[in-house]
Amino acid sequence: DAGVTQSPTHLIKTRGQHVTLRCSPISGHKSVSWYQQVLGQGPQFIFQYYEKEERGRGNFPDRFSARQFPNYSSELNVNALLLGDSALYLCASSWGQGNSPLHFGNGTRLTVT
Amino acid sequence: GQNIDQPTEMTATEGAIVQINCTYQTSGFNGLFWYQQHAGEAPTFLSYNVLDGLEEKGRFSSFLSRSKGYSYLLLKELQMKDSASYLCAPLGTYKYIFGTGTRLKVLA
Repeated sequence: DAGVTQSPTHLIKTRGQHVTLRCSPISGHKSVSWYQQVLGQGPQFIFQYYEKEERGRGNFPDRFSARQFPNYSSELNVNALLLGDSALYLCASSWGQGNSPLHFGNGTRLTVT
Repeated sequence: GQNIDQPTEMTATEGAIVQINCTYQTSGFNGLFWYQQHAGEAPTFLSYNVLDGLEEKGRFSSFLSRSKGYSYLLLKELQMKDSASYLCAPLGTYKYIFGTGTRLKVLA
């Protein structure tokens, strides 16, 4: 079975641009979460979606948005990129929205110059 | 508030036992997870505790005390491949809160 897949793997953008990151969950998983991880830190929660509805939002500005599609795949959008948005963006899927473990994709490495 | 505290770095010798401690404060509590993350890779699930006590899984065990807001991960018979970051992640309401992680170095 395929794991969580994310695309692209690497991305370089300029300040002020926008970016769309994509994630396909493990088949059968209905929950997708997005995390931002900067070097030396743990993943920081951005969003959780379950059954296409936003169920949780972390402490990120409105420049960050996401959605989940009927096939449970998800997109994370970031507008007006700042240098500080440079990070590894991790997508994780889980079977439910409760106490099921997260399965992470390999992430998208975003560099903003 | 929400807060997680883990040691930043630990060093141990191959074959030894190491205990990585985690204290936490969360809004709501639905269990605590431990993840392993090798450098440059995604985190992978290690263990889950929702009730107080010890959960054993091969060389790895995890302990939880909900009243103390405390957990630890115990790694036995350390191997070189155990060199990684270990992330404590209590599950609050709909979201996991990850700590900074403990970077474990296993020396030969």
